[in-house]
Amino acid sequence: DAKTTQPPSMDCAEGRAANLPCNHSTISGNEYVYWYRQIHSQGPQYIIHGLKNNETNEMASLIITEDRKSSTLILPHATLRDTAVYYCIVRLLNQAGTALIFGKGTTLSVSS
Amino acid sequence: EAGVTQFPSHSVIEKGQTVTLRCDPISGHDNLYWYRRVMGKEIKFLLHFVKESKQDESGMPNNRFLAERTGGTYSTLKVQPAELEDSGVYFCASSPRALRTSSYNEQFFGPGTRLTVL
Repeated sequence: DAKTTQPPSMDCAEGRAANLPCNHSTISGNEYVYWYRQIHSQGPQYIIHGLKNNETNEMASLIITEDRKSSTLILPHATLRDTAVYYCIVRLLNQAGTALIFGKGTTLSVSS
Repeated sequence: EAGVTQFPSHSVIEKGQTVTLRCDPISGHDNLYWYRRVMGKEIKFLLHFVKESKQDESGMPNNRFLAERTGGTYSTLKVQPAELEDSGVYFCASSPRALRTSSYNEQFFGPGTRLTVL
């Protein structure tokens, strides 16, 4: 079973920041937080991951609380193409080839 | 660099027939995974290959499913005989062998094969 809890859906206006929360209160010290998304009719796509420090890449930012029990994925300027289901997943780093455990995710709808 | 490819993109078969799905991972990726999403459910792991060896097949639903990866390159997933509940989207993903210094273990997914069993 997924170890994370996410809201089922969120709306965001185009050009605004989308902040997607995730609760992972049972995360262990050596587990990372990963985010993937699935755009309709495509396979899941990796976005970002982190352990305890905030992370940023060309796609998004990841903010992890100090106690690591929750995190927020931030899409700074959402576009219509960001409409997708976003999955927050916790897993061990360097667990070579371990399966991803997908929950229900958050359906983000970006509108103009 | 070519991504993960899957064939066919769609397949419609009748109950009791056999279907074989194919996945071509990214060149050089030792790890290959199969996942599926059946209607209304979450994406579920099926199995994982490291090269040609099955590393974890704990997610395979039953013995009607057979996965192979001869030669450690492409993989096939055969469903025989297909049942109505097998309908869904089957995803393949690959990842490189994790290194000690690797900072992540990203899985690259293909577009999926949509299987419809009538």
